[in-house]
Amino acid sequence: SQQGEEDPQALSIQEGENATMNCSYKTSINNLQWYRQNSGRGLVHLILIRSNEREKHSGRLRVTLDTSKKSSSLLITASRAADTASYFCANSGGSNYKLTFGKGTLLTVNP
Amino acid sequence: GAGVSQSPSNKVTEKGKDVELRCDPISGHTALYWYRQSLGQGLEFLIYFQGNSAPDKSGLPSDRFSAERTGGSVSTLTIQRTQQEDSAVYLCASSLLGTDTQYFGPGTRLTVL
Repeated sequence: SQQGEEDPQALSIQEGENATMNCSYKTSINNLQWYRQNSGRGLVHLILIRSNEREKHSGRLRVTLDTSKKSSSLLITASRAADTASYFCANSGGSNYKLTFGKGTLLTVNP
Repeated sequence: GAGVSQSPSNKVTEKGKDVELRCDPISGHTALYWYRQSLGQGLEFLIYFQGNSAPDKSGLPSDRFSAERTGGSVSTLTIQRTQQEDSAVYLCASSLLGTDTQYFGPGTRLTVL
């Protein structure tokens, strides 16, 4: 199955700094979602942006979507050690239901 | 309210044995999904249920894999004659509608010896 790509694959920053992760995808989408995963287990939904939206905010999270470039970015501001996790983008495309995941970005926030 | 739950949380089995993995979705969610996460393949879609029917089983890797959903609620993923390559974390998710936010359970880590 087609998968998107996140970059960077790994990111290490200091507490208080901002973290930016990028995601590219290949097919047309209905929406794009970002998830966080701790310790390789359950995925926690962070934010959903629909294909007709360009930017969305939720707390310290800011997501942008550029459908012409088939890309999205996730910005976490004022990072905390607790933000350390893997972050995945996932798109719901023409199938209207199943999510196609990127390979993820491992974020490490150092105290 | 209660989230998606999965059981068991960990399962170790011997090659050739059958295993059943269970998923309890969020109450009222009509859509249910199974995904698999392994080191080599990342996160892969397996199967999608809308109510009790599975319109898309295209992600099931072989005929040893099957899934059912009863009463529009609980789902069971069965793997027959397990192989070592089946070792992975199996994740279940549910949503109100097919295009809505998906909420994931904690996963079942399957290890086939």
